[in-house]
Amino acid sequence: KNQVEQSPQSLIILEGKNCTLQCNYTVSPFSNLRWYKQDTGRGPVSLTIMTFSENTKSNGRYTATLDADTKQSSLHITASQLSDSASYICVVSPRAYNTDKLIFGTGTRLQVFP
Amino acid sequence: DSGVTQTPKHLITATGQRVTLRCSPRSGDLSVYWYQQSLDQGLQFLIQYYNGEERAKGNILERFSAQQFPDLHSELNLSSLELGDSALYFCASSVARASRTDTQYFGPGTRLTVL
Repeated sequence: KNQVEQSPQSLIILEGKNCTLQCNYTVSPFSNLRWYKQDTGRGPVSLTIMTFSENTKSNGRYTATLDADTKQSSLHITASQLSDSASYICVVSPRAYNTDKLIFGTGTRLQVFP
Repeated sequence: DSGVTQTPKHLITATGQRVTLRCSPRSGDLSVYWYQQSLDQGLQFLIQYYNGEERAKGNILERFSAQQFPDLHSELNLSSLELGDSALYFCASSVARASRTDTQYFGPGTRLTVL
């Protein structure tokens, strides 16, 4: 069964600290992996998209890594800010023609305190 | 602001009723996606349209239907509503029909409450 699991479920850190969120998937075949940031009550916003041939991708203070062999990805947030408080969702897309069915993880809820 | 608009923002209705959610994609985007987000289940893909045609179906119930109009806006119709249908419904749009790195832009969502 295609699944995406994220850990931890929730995380509390102090402003200015770094943190790393994990994503493990069992989706096969594999097309790409995305990280989204979702503020409470708002739509998700894309942070990064990586295909199986990409190992790392950055978007400002956000850096995503991908190991397609072990089917693991991580999202590293550097020098966290209060505005980073949100849910971070890992999304995997299986390889399919003419479709784009995304499999969503349940997310990691990050809270950044001053 | 993603450029995707959804109306209404909130909707409260009773069990057994029917509602219509509306989505306008970003200018130039041909694909529209609908998602349901419940508290206990995270985001679930419902259905995708590309340039007026249905392209992919996810976990969409038979009581639910959608369509994309010639002007590319889309509507999601939910009928015979049940308490369990209470959720946030998101629409997203993207440029391409089948791109592996196509970015989906999400709207602000419609919060549906079924009483």
